[in-house]
Amino acid sequence: KAGVTQTPRYLIKTRGQQVTLSCSPISGHRSVSWYQQTPGQGLQFLFEYFSETQRNKGNFPGRFSGRQFSNSRSEMNVSTLELGDSALYLCASSLIQQSRNEQFFGPGTRLTVL
Amino acid sequence: DQQVKQNSPSLSVQEGRISILNCDYTNSMFDYFLWYKKYPAEGPTFLISISSIKDKNEDGRFTVFLNKSAKHLSLHIVPSQPGDSAVYFCAASGNAGGTSYGKLTFGQGTILTVHP
Repeated sequence: KAGVTQTPRYLIKTRGQQVTLSCSPISGHRSVSWYQQTPGQGLQFLFEYFSETQRNKGNFPGRFSGRQFSNSRSEMNVSTLELGDSALYLCASSLIQQSRNEQFFGPGTRLTVL
Repeated sequence: DQQVKQNSPSLSVQEGRISILNCDYTNSMFDYFLWYKKYPAEGPTFLISISSIKDKNEDGRFTVFLNKSAKHLSLHIVPSQPGDSAVYFCAASGNAGGTSYGKLTFGQGTILTVHP
């Protein structure tokens, strides 16, 4: 089974621009979660999508948004980029079953904002 | 408010010996715990998990212990190998009181170095 894939792997943007990141979950997984990793804040939860609906949201400003498509693929968008948005953005997929709640992560997208 | 804490930023162990990584949590609504291994600029790799209905789970060289009363979990790696050198994160999730299985709360990580 193919793992979680994320595109692009690397991005360089300038302040004020917007960016869209893409995530394809493991086949059969319907839950997709997004995380931001920075040296200062560690791994922080952004949001989770399940069956095309946002089910949970972390403590991030409204500039961070996402969506999920009917095939479970997900995108996240960051508008009006700030220098502090430079980070590794990770996507994870999960079955979210009663006894199996492991999340499996993709390789991440490294975003650099100049 | 850091709900999941890994108080040891680093751990150094000799090859063949046991590595013990510790994690504490404060939110009593967490009932599912996971350990991940991570290399720089890569996504975390799932290692092992444990539900709160158990106090121990084993998978090969990895064993996770959960002490619910102390809100403490630990990961034991036996024997440790140089290839185990990485950053280890514990994470927690739940299904009540504001927690969700779709939302992992991570500790800050422990850098494990296994010397040959």
